[in-house]
Amino acid sequence: SYELTQPPSVSVSPGQTARITCSGDAWPKRYAFWYQQKPGQAPVLVIYKDSERPSGIPERFSGSSSGTTVTLTISGVQAEDEADYYCQSADSIGLFHVVFGGGTKLTVL
Amino acid sequence: QVQLVQSGAEVKKPGASVKVSCKASGYTFSSYYMHWVRQAPGQGLEWMGIINPSGGSTSYAQKLQGRITLTRDASTSTFYMDLSSLTSDDTAVYYCARKNSGDESTYMDVWGKGTTVTVSS
Repeated sequence: SYELTQPPSVSVSPGQTARITCSGDAWPKRYAFWYQQKPGQAPVLVIYKDSERPSGIPERFSGSSSGTTVTLTISGVQAEDEADYYCQSADSIGLFHVVFGGGTKLTVL
Repeated sequence: QVQLVQSGAEVKKPGASVKVSCKASGYTFSSYYMHWVRQAPGQGLEWMGIINPSGGSTSYAQKLQGRITLTRDASTSTFYMDLSSLTSDDTAVYYCARKNSGDESTYMDVWGKGTTVTVSS
């Protein structure tokens, strides 16, 4: 089973760039997916297949991959971006099994 | 629009079972698998299992094998998650989440709002 490791927290000031990493042996074999979760709400997909953005997700959200690390980048961070962010991949057991990273709390100072 | 409407909060005693429902609408029920994910208070997301609405085949997280059963009722476009032998560790918000179309990857493109299950004596 793959393990995905995220930093527990990242802090940035409004207008700056936030980078949230996710390391693990799932990459580069699997695609990476990212979810945003605000308090009391269900997660929302913000990046799929490493770097694709679903419709309705602002252009300031982007994703990239390099070796065994994938990165979610939020350019020009806004106060509304403060949330928990989770990376996800398909597991080694099977393509339809899923593994999540532990989550990163993004704080907008 | 695509919607997943989940059943209401539950309070259960240790050792009991719970059944959470997820009614799908706004898309072709048989065309999309359904994931179940849970989140304990203050913790991260934990994948529980997946069901194919056509035929009902399932795959479960190893940790929950033997305690979890996923089913579906095509006549009402509803998915169900049944978890038995509950302990306090099962206290969590339970989400149904639609799997993306296609077989080359798996992720969740639409989520229900979640169902809170509390296990307490």
